[in-house]
Amino acid sequence: KQEVTQIPAALSVPEGENLVLNCSFTDSAIYNLQWFRQDPGKGLTSLLLIQSSQREQTSGRLNASLDKSSGRSTLYIAASQPGDSATYLCAVKDDYKLSFGAGTTVTVRA
Amino acid sequence: EAEVAQSPRYKITEKSQAVAFWCDPISGHATLYWYRQILGQGPELLVQFQDESVVDDSQLPKDRFSAERLKGVDSTLKIQPAELGDSAMYLCASSLEARPQETQYFGPGTRLLVL
Repeated sequence: KQEVTQIPAALSVPEGENLVLNCSFTDSAIYNLQWFRQDPGKGLTSLLLIQSSQREQTSGRLNASLDKSSGRSTLYIAASQPGDSATYLCAVKDDYKLSFGAGTTVTVRA
Repeated sequence: EAEVAQSPRYKITEKSQAVAFWCDPISGHATLYWYRQILGQGPELLVQFQDESVVDDSQLPKDRFSAERLKGVDSTLKIQPAELGDSAMYLCASSLEARPQETQYFGPGTRLLVL
């Protein structure tokens, strides 16, 4: 069974600092990995999707890397802003099923 | 931009009552998913539909939960009777097909509180 772990569970940084969020998974036989953002009491917003053949994906201030062989992904958010405060979840897809981590809750202090 | 619609957004019910949630996927999406997210945890798949057929309901507590997608479009998830442990966010998602590389698009969720 795929296990997805996100460390740390919570993170608080001052505005302007770069954020580094980590995700690890136990079974490297994945099709893709996705990073989501979830605001309190809301649904999931997809941020980036990395196919298993890719090493990274970028969108604006966000960059996600994937090292499938070691079972790790990192989400970088450059120059954080208070609006980046949210919970970030990673999810891996294997055999058509999406398995989620518990998320990292980020607070960006103004 | 097309979105997954869910209703209600919030539901408060008493233990042993019946509740139902509705989901309307993005038009043309053949695959529909129901997830449950307990506070502080990631979502877990309850049931997956391909058109009107159930593909995976291995994690659905079938003694009290049921799901249907009669015409292969919108879907209803029902809980009867509700228990305190059912308090959670219920998320619906859809994708064009069930292929692994397809992105799942999530709705806003229904937050359930069982008293």
